[in-house]
Amino acid sequence: AQKVTQAQTEISVVEKEDVTLDCVYETRDTTYYLFWYKQPPSGELVFLIRRNSFDEQNEISGRYSWNFQKSTSSFNFTITASQVVDSAVYFCALKSGSARQLTFGSGTQLTVLP
Amino acid sequence: NAGVTQTPKFRILKIGQSMTLQCTQDMNHNYMYWYRQDPGMGLKLIYYSVGAGITDKGEVPNGYNVSRSTTEDFPLRLELAAPSQTSVYFCASSYSTSGVNEQFFGPGTRLTVL
Repeated sequence: AQKVTQAQTEISVVEKEDVTLDCVYETRDTTYYLFWYKQPPSGELVFLIRRNSFDEQNEISGRYSWNFQKSTSSFNFTITASQVVDSAVYFCALKSGSARQLTFGSGTQLTVLP
Repeated sequence: NAGVTQTPKFRILKIGQSMTLQCTQDMNHNYMYWYRQDPGMGLKLIYYSVGAGITDKGEVPNGYNVSRSTTEDFPLRLELAAPSQTSVYFCASSYSTSGVNEQFFGPGTRLTVL
C-alpha cells in the first residue's frame, strides 16, 4: 500500500516570504517515485518535479527547491521569495515500483498575499 | 502539440442520465488515466490504460466504464449518473514502459449531477 500525507491544508504568506510545503509518504517498496504538481486557480495540473528513490540529491530550480529525505520519508518543497503567482494548490504524489497508479496527497492550498 | 484535450469543460446531468467524457492526446503516449477530484481532496484514479485495447480499474471504478480503441483516445462513460459522481474529472497521459514518467493532464471536466 502507498500513502501520501500533506498535513498542511492551507498556508498563507506575504509576498517575498519563503514557504515550505511538507510531504510525507509511506511505501514498502524500495523503488519508488515522488512527484509535485501545481494546480493554479485555473484548474489544470502542472508537473513540477519527479524524483526516484535512489536519488536523494536535493534539487533547485529557480525559486523552487526540493528536499528529499528517505530517513524521514519526506519530500518537502520550498518556494523562496514567494510571489502572488505562486498561489495555487500543490499536490505531492507517489508511485511505488509495484503499483500501477500515482497516489496523491490531499494538497496544500498556498495563498501568497501582496 | 495540443497535449491532452478534454470535452466538455462543464456539464450538468440529471440523476440517471448517462454521458461520455472525451479525452484525446496527441503526444503518442501509451499510458492514459482518468481521475476524479472531489472538493478539497487529491485525485483518485478511476481507470487507466497501458495501451490500445488494454484497460484496468483504479481505486474508484464503480459507476464508470472506459475503452481504448486507439492510442489517442480514452473516453470515460458514466452510466446512470448519481449525485456522488459530481466532481472534476481529469484525463492524463504519460509515456513509459512502467508508468513512472510524469503525467500530463488535461484541463478537466466539471460535472454536476442533480
